[in-house]
Amino acid sequence: DIQMTQSPSSLSASVGDRVSITCRASQGISTYLAWYQQKPGKVPKLLIYAASTLQSGVPSRFSGSGSGTDFTLTISSLQPEDVATYYCQRYNSATFTFGPGTKVDIK
Amino acid sequence: EVQLVQSGAEVKKPGESLKISCKGSGYSFTTNWIGWVRQMPGKGLEWMGIIYPADSDTRYSPSFQGQVTISADKSITTAYLQWSSLKASDTAMYFCVRQGGGGFDPWGQGTLVTVSS
Repeated sequence: DIQMTQSPSSLSASVGDRVSITCRASQGISTYLAWYQQKPGKVPKLLIYAASTLQSGVPSRFSGSGSGTDFTLTISSLQPEDVATYYCQRYNSATFTFGPGTKVDIK
Repeated sequence: EVQLVQSGAEVKKPGESLKISCKGSGYSFTTNWIGWVRQMPGKGLEWMGIIYPADSDTRYSPSFQGQVTISADKSITTAYLQWSSLKASDTAMYFCVRQGGGGFDPWGQGTLVTVSS
């Protein structure tokens, strides 16, 4: 079974900082990778799919990159409303494994 | 508007059975997979399984195979998640999701299941 890992598990940054989160798959998954944002007490929200395609309505400060086994979610200028836990997810071969999550807060 | 609306919170005792629901609207229910995701208190997201309502083809995560049953009734555009014998460790929030071309979107509002004696 393909495992998903994320790093770091948590981070604290200042408003306006550039923030990057890494997701790694234990085997190649092409670009079958999605990113979700879950704010405290809220329902998760799809941010990015196909590794780099921004979901409609998602601010352009969010971007995704990568293919194969290594992927990155970048927030170009961190905003207070971006405080959340971010999850990657692979969705190939009719399985949909999530990463463990990265908690982002404001310094 | 594409929407998934889940049934309300449940409080059950260990050993009891339970079936929760997820009603889809605003899209063709039979042409997208519907999945279920568990989130235990303070923990991450876990994919449980997924069903294709057109023919009820169902896939389970190995972690949940045999522990739950996923079903769907396309005539009323509703998917279900059921347990035959609940355990305290089943206490969690459960989300239904639509799987489109990439990723899960939208998500239902969640159903909180509490299992306690």
